Amino acid sequence: EDQVTQSPEALRLQEGESSSLNCSYTVSGLRGLFWYRQDPGKGPEFLFTLYSAGEEKEKERLKATLTKKESFLHITAPKPEDSATYLCAVRPTTGGFKTIFGAGTRLFVKA
Amino acid sequence: DAGVIQSPRHEVTEMGQEVTLRCKPISGHNSLFWYRQTMMRGLELLIYFNNNVPIDDSGMPEDRFSAKMPNASFSTLKIQPSEPRDSAVYFCASSSSSGGAYNEQFFGPGTRLTVL
Repeated sequence: EDQVTQSPEALRLQEGESSSLNCSYTVSGLRGLFWYRQDPGKGPEFLFTLYSAGEEKEKERLKATLTKKESFLHITAPKPEDSATYLCAVRPTTGGFKTIFGAGTRLFVKA
Repeated sequence: DAGVIQSPRHEVTEMGQEVTLRCKPISGHNSLFWYRQTMMRGLELLIYFNNNVPIDDSGMPEDRFSAKMPNASFSTLKIQPSEPRDSAVYFCASSSSSGGAYNEQFFGPGTRLTVL
């Protein structure tokens, strides 16, 4: 069964304290892995798409990396405005456009 | 572009009533997705359409749920009759699939449904 597991469930950081969020996945074949950010009361907002192991993408303080079994979202010198829930999702090679989301990691950054 | 538009933003209804949620995807997008989000189960895909045709409705919880996409700019998700366990935030998302690429989804603001 295709599955996505994110850890930790919640992460509390001080401003400037770098860390990483983990997304482990089990799929028969990976078409793409997505990272989204979700703020309270809003819909998820797209951050990155990764397609193959070894791929990396960056945006401001965020960098996403991908291996054959997991993805990491690295946050460098976070600011309070980075506080949000970060969702990981995978699109298997089977199932067309079907996308499976993880439960998310709630990030709190304190000033 | 206004993004994905959903209405209503909030809906409070009584058990047994019919509920209709509406979605207008981003112009030019040919895939549309309905999701449900709860604290217990996270974000679950209910159904998705490609070129207005339902492709996978395996996530629809039961026959009380139905979805339609009569044209490229409008979709509805209907619950009849509604039950308290249907209380959740329902998101609509749209995406394009040009040139064989499977692009990211753009989400609407969601409809928060409360069934009393």
